[in-house]
Amino acid sequence: DAGVTQSPTHLIKTRGQQVTLRCSPKSGHDTVSWYQQALGQGPQFIFQYYEEEERQRGNFPDRFSGHQFPNYSSELNVNALLLGDSALYLCASSTLQGAHLKEQYFGPGTRLTVT
Amino acid sequence: GENVEQHPSTLSVQEGDSAVIKCTYSDSASNYFPWYKQELGKRPQLIIDIRSNVGEKKDQRIAVTLNKTAKHFSLHITETQPEDSAVYFCAASRGNRDDKIIFGKGTRLHILP
Repeated sequence: DAGVTQSPTHLIKTRGQQVTLRCSPKSGHDTVSWYQQALGQGPQFIFQYYEEEERQRGNFPDRFSGHQFPNYSSELNVNALLLGDSALYLCASSTLQGAHLKEQYFGPGTRLTVT
Repeated sequence: GENVEQHPSTLSVQEGDSAVIKCTYSDSASNYFPWYKQELGKRPQLIIDIRSNVGEKKDQRIAVTLNKTAKHFSLHITETQPEDSAVYFCAASRGNRDDKIIFGKGTRLHILP
């Protein structure tokens, strides 16, 4: 049973470019959340997807967008990259148990460096 | 907006001693409180979680306590071992599907030999 997977593991981009990061949830999970983790900080919530729609969004600009596919996998897109977008991008998957969201499992992350 | 404060930012304890990390949250509707351990270069891993219908939960050397009135919760690690050295994050959410999980800034725990 594969856990949460992400690709690529590392990425280097220049300012102004666009990037797409990918996530496959753990088997049996249908909800995907994305987080940005700057060095020495806690994960910051970007947005959450389930049923192929964005359900919740954190305090991130519209340059950050996403998508969820019918197989529950997800993409995070960032346009017009800034130096400050350099961070570890984490994907986490979960599912509902009754009315509650079950525990989230994190992927290994994608380390994005913007130069 | 919602906020989770975590203290201390760094903690050093002698191997075998106990470690305590404390968090407070601002959203009174929060009812799910997970704790994650992140080793250097690795993904955060859930080590224990608690929902607001209980005040304490224990799993071997790890325990979490919750005081909903005061809006704070704590992680207790007893009989610390070298492999406990890592960054620990507390988090809070309302626990429903349509809710985000807000993380604290983390505590770097050093276990001294």
